[in-house]
Amino acid sequence: ETGVTQSPTHLIKTRGQQVTLRCSSQSGHNTVSWYQQALGQGPQFIFQYYREEENGRGNFPPRFSGLQFPNYSSELNVNALELDDSALYLCASSNDRESTDTQYFGPGTRLTVL
Amino acid sequence: GESVGLHLPTLSVQEGDNSIINCAYSNSASDYFIWYKQESGKGPQFIIDIRSNMDKRQGQRVTVLLNKTVKHLSLQIAATQPGDSAVYFCAEKHAGNMLTFGGGTRLMVKP
Repeated sequence: ETGVTQSPTHLIKTRGQQVTLRCSSQSGHNTVSWYQQALGQGPQFIFQYYREEENGRGNFPPRFSGLQFPNYSSELNVNALELDDSALYLCASSNDRESTDTQYFGPGTRLTVL
Repeated sequence: GESVGLHLPTLSVQEGDNSIINCAYSNSASDYFIWYKQESGKGPQFIIDIRSNMDKRQGQRVTVLLNKTVKHLSLQIAATQPGDSAVYFCAEKHAGNMLTFGGGTRLMVKP
């Protein structure tokens, strides 16, 4: 186990609703990255947070937003949910003081949009 | 990364045999590569990594080979065990610490 935790484990929402997913990073890690993994595909980078600011973003619309808190935990918010947002949302933490910044993943939150 | 939808490439091996999983990466500027293992219902688990200034790195029962000329990465698993059954992803990192994942390969180990 990596020490990265995510909540909730599963979530069901309807189109148009908003959702907040949470992530606690591994002890000693100061950077959190979020990924979306559709069924049968590899994870797709959403964005990364470092020192409470967005530090890089993938090809996702602005309705995907996030926060990082002083204790390095993070939230992913998705507004105006669409059916295609149904996926496994993964959080990964890393430490920029390590030479390779290896990202360690949590178990994910399974989001289903009906 | 490439997408293969619900039909992941599958490698089926006999328990005890060696496995080789291949990956083609896309960005010649990538300087760091990682192999992750993902079991059903879990997040990706770090297996082994390699920097672009190396062509081989060994871990416990696993070896990663990097061929920058053809932008190819491989993961070799020695004496494959039933617990190795999972989906394996290669990932590359370039500017900004963003990881780009390949489409994944499903490894099935037959007892």
